[in-house]
Amino acid sequence: ETGVTQSPTHLIKTRGQQVTLRCSSQSGHNTVSWYQQALGQGPQFIFQYYREEENGRGNFPPRFSGLQFPNYSSELNVNALELDDSALYLCASSSSSGTSYEQYFGPGTRLTVT
Amino acid sequence: AQSVTQLGSHVSVSEGALVLLRCNYSSSVPPYLFWYVQYPNQGLQLLLKYTSAATLVKGINGFEAEFKKSETSFHLTKPSAHMSDAAEYFCAVSRRGYSSASKIIFGSGTRLSIRP
Repeated sequence: ETGVTQSPTHLIKTRGQQVTLRCSSQSGHNTVSWYQQALGQGPQFIFQYYREEENGRGNFPPRFSGLQFPNYSSELNVNALELDDSALYLCASSSSSGTSYEQYFGPGTRLTVT
Repeated sequence: AQSVTQLGSHVSVSEGALVLLRCNYSSSVPPYLFWYVQYPNQGLQLLLKYTSAATLVKGINGFEAEFKKSETSFHLTKPSAHMSDAAEYFCAVSRRGYSSASKIIFGSGTRLSIRP
């Protein structure tokens, strides 16, 4: 069973640029959630995708957007990068079937905005 | 609305001593509760979860937590600390009655240090 993978591992961007982060969900999982973890803080929920549609969103501006593909992999796009966007971005996959309630996290992408 | 408060941003214990990491939650509906561990430069690993079965939950690496509804607490303990336990620990809550399509709300974390 393959776990959740994310790419790239690290990324450095300049303020105002755009970035795309990628996530491959665990086998059999149809739901992907994205979290932002700023340095020294707990992860904050950005949004969730289920069956290729957004299924809940946290308190993040519209320049944070996402996609989910038919194979349930996902992308997080951030436009007009700001310095405060520097963080570890975590992807978590899960299954919406039955009583499953666990989210399995990937290793994260470390984004630095200069 | 749901929230989690972790008491103490940094806890330091001696190797072999009791580990106690405190977590209090707020939830308008019965919650699911979790403890996650994060090692440096890594993602989150689930230590244990409470989903309304037994109130004393046993997890991996010798950790356990007790759900106390009257105190709205879910403290994490381990009888004897090991050097490898040094990490960041996060308490988290989500809505019960939903699938894992529910978002998880995390506390701010507690950094556990182990003294030789």
